[in-house]
Amino acid sequence: SAVISQKPSRDICQRGTSLTIQCQVDSQVTMMFWYRQQPGQSLTLIATANQGSEATYESGFVIDKFPISRPNLTFSTLTVSNLSPEDSSIYLCSVVDYPGQVFSSYEQYFGPGTRLTVT
Amino acid sequence: KNQVEQSPQSLIILEGKNCTLQCNYTVSPFSNLRWYKQDTGRGPVSLTIMTFSENTKSNGRYTATLDADTKQSSLHITASQLSDSASYICVVTTTTDSWGKLQFGAGTQVVVTP
Repeated sequence: SAVISQKPSRDICQRGTSLTIQCQVDSQVTMMFWYRQQPGQSLTLIATANQGSEATYESGFVIDKFPISRPNLTFSTLTVSNLSPEDSSIYLCSVVDYPGQVFSSYEQYFGPGTRLTVT
Repeated sequence: KNQVEQSPQSLIILEGKNCTLQCNYTVSPFSNLRWYKQDTGRGPVSLTIMTFSENTKSNGRYTATLDADTKQSSLHITASQLSDSASYICVVTTTTDSWGKLQFGAGTQVVVTP
């Protein structure tokens, strides 16, 4: 299994500033993802963090707002830029373990999340 | 409209009692269905994963069932404990979705009281 840590665990930021969230995995993983969980809602995929190349963003999410870095197979950062109160959410890092396995049996692990409040 | 619907939205049960959570989905083509437990302030933790050929799977006091024909799943918690207080999320994956593109339900918030 993969153990994921995130920093910070929570933060309160002012409107217009940025927050960078770090995700560290205890093993090398190929697939790493960033999700957002808005209050009372289900998780939404923001992007896939690709090692050595630009992240792949889902519809509704853009690189200028959510720049992502993935310098190696164990680490990634997500920056939430130009913060507004609507960005107040929990942001979660997630990894897929051994994607070479049969698709239907792969395991997906989630980090503890970063709770962001924008004032 | 969310393609994964969970009920009830919330549930309060007495410690030691059993409860059943429901998940109905319209997602297709179906690949697998997962149940996650998310404690407050924590990330989701996988409880069970089922493919279309599996109709029941257990993990300790948690038992998940799947009816792929009616596109329904349930999660049964036996002899509930205070530590079972959490949000339980049903997640469905299709055979065509890319990695990480999971279809999440909104979750059922379970509160176990002494």
